[in-house]
Amino acid sequence: GAGVSQTPSNKVTEKGKYVELRCDPISGHTALYWYRQSLGQGPEFLIYFQGTGAADDSGLPNDRFFAVRPEGSVSTLKIQRTERGDSAVYLCASSTLSDNEQFFGPGTRLTVL
Amino acid sequence: AQKVTQAQTEISVVEKEDVTLDCVYETRDTTYYLFWYKQPPSGELVFLIRRNSFDEQNEISGRYSWNFQKSTSSFNFTITASQVVDSAVYFCALSVGAGDMRFGAGTRLTVKP
Repeated sequence: GAGVSQTPSNKVTEKGKYVELRCDPISGHTALYWYRQSLGQGPEFLIYFQGTGAADDSGLPNDRFFAVRPEGSVSTLKIQRTERGDSAVYLCASSTLSDNEQFFGPGTRLTVL
Repeated sequence: AQKVTQAQTEISVVEKEDVTLDCVYETRDTTYYLFWYKQPPSGELVFLIRRNSFDEQNEISGRYSWNFQKSTSSFNFTITASQVVDSAVYFCALSVGAGDMRFGAGTRLTVKP
């Protein structure tokens, strides 16, 4: 596709459930990023992939959060035992190199009831 | 540690007025990148500009201009002759090249007709 796509666009789940959020980056982009944006705040960095490996996962808030990118393209952000505080918009971005402009997807709005 | 401060939470102007959005950053790295992104009501972040720390030359792109001053650690953004379509949340961001970007809290700009 022409841009970064994310699915689902909206996800409503119950506290304690497991969720997966998917990101499909721009074709050919080797770098992929996940951010979390809470209402009224700027995006908060979670994790960055260069190819298949996580180059920096220092932004993941705790061990309930995990992300993979097995083939160096599509990435999945996984959240276990969701909590109400996890409710936010989860943004994915990709770029050609780690220091280049990042192109953002439309985000997945996660609501934990 | 990297930090970006956007002191202006909200700004409201009347169409055709000029408006400047302030951005102050903190980093101990000598090599870094500064960005501005626009987030319209649709929610998708739109890249506006990327500037590296070795290039202090100001840039103009149509009605947009950016003033980068290392002496004051500022990277301010000016919109000349604002239009209603400029209404959005604008984010300033800093990256030290490791992949992650640190965003400011954003400035909500409202341009009234």
